[in-house]
Amino acid sequence: RKEVEQDPGPFNVPEGATVAFNCTYSNSASQSFFWYRQDCRKEPKLLMSVYSSGNEDGRFTAQLNRASQYISLLIRDSKLSDSATYLCVVNLGGNKLVFGAGTILRVKS
Amino acid sequence: GAVVSQHPSWVICKSGTSVKIECRSLDFQATTMFWYRQFPKQSLMLMATSNEGSKATYEQGVEKDKFLINHASLTLSTLTVTSAHPEDSSFYICSASISPRISEQYFGPGTRLTVT
Repeated sequence: RKEVEQDPGPFNVPEGATVAFNCTYSNSASQSFFWYRQDCRKEPKLLMSVYSSGNEDGRFTAQLNRASQYISLLIRDSKLSDSATYLCVVNLGGNKLVFGAGTILRVKS
Repeated sequence: GAVVSQHPSWVICKSGTSVKIECRSLDFQATTMFWYRQFPKQSLMLMATSNEGSKATYEQGVEKDKFLINHASLTLSTLTVTSAHPEDSSFYICSASISPRISEQYFGPGTRLTVT
């Protein structure tokens, strides 16, 4: 079983749509959680950290459920510029990050 | 702030040669640097963790004699792929952390290595 699992997609959505990504992780001792965004042939960039209380940053909302070992990302009012691969990332401790394979989002006009 | 650079951004080399990739933190001192590898359509895989002035810690399955890591200063780490083979062709990305207590990592732009 992979340590971090994501639906690879692609998710093809029209502009303005709301889209949700899910992620599960296998190590219950994982300490912190993140969503990164990666554009084609580029390095990953931190989108947001994820907390159990849920957190929001503009059109993006992230949620963590430790009991279910489940992380989600919701994007509202999708823009063309949101098209990218979204990486679910888990910190196992000691700054060791484990990346999911990513979910591809394509926003179309 | 928190900018990490990599050089070169793209390299093509012949099988059997060695390639050195540099990773620099430009505006901060990085106590720890990380080297990742990403094959097409796959996730980033951590290769090794290096702390300034000490030997790198390699992940299981990564050959330390093939992937030489040197972290000589708080702003520079190098990865040397020795005797490169076509299967080493990949996207190599470094990242840097300001402190062991802070999990956020700042990523370099990556180096695309093609071995012919």
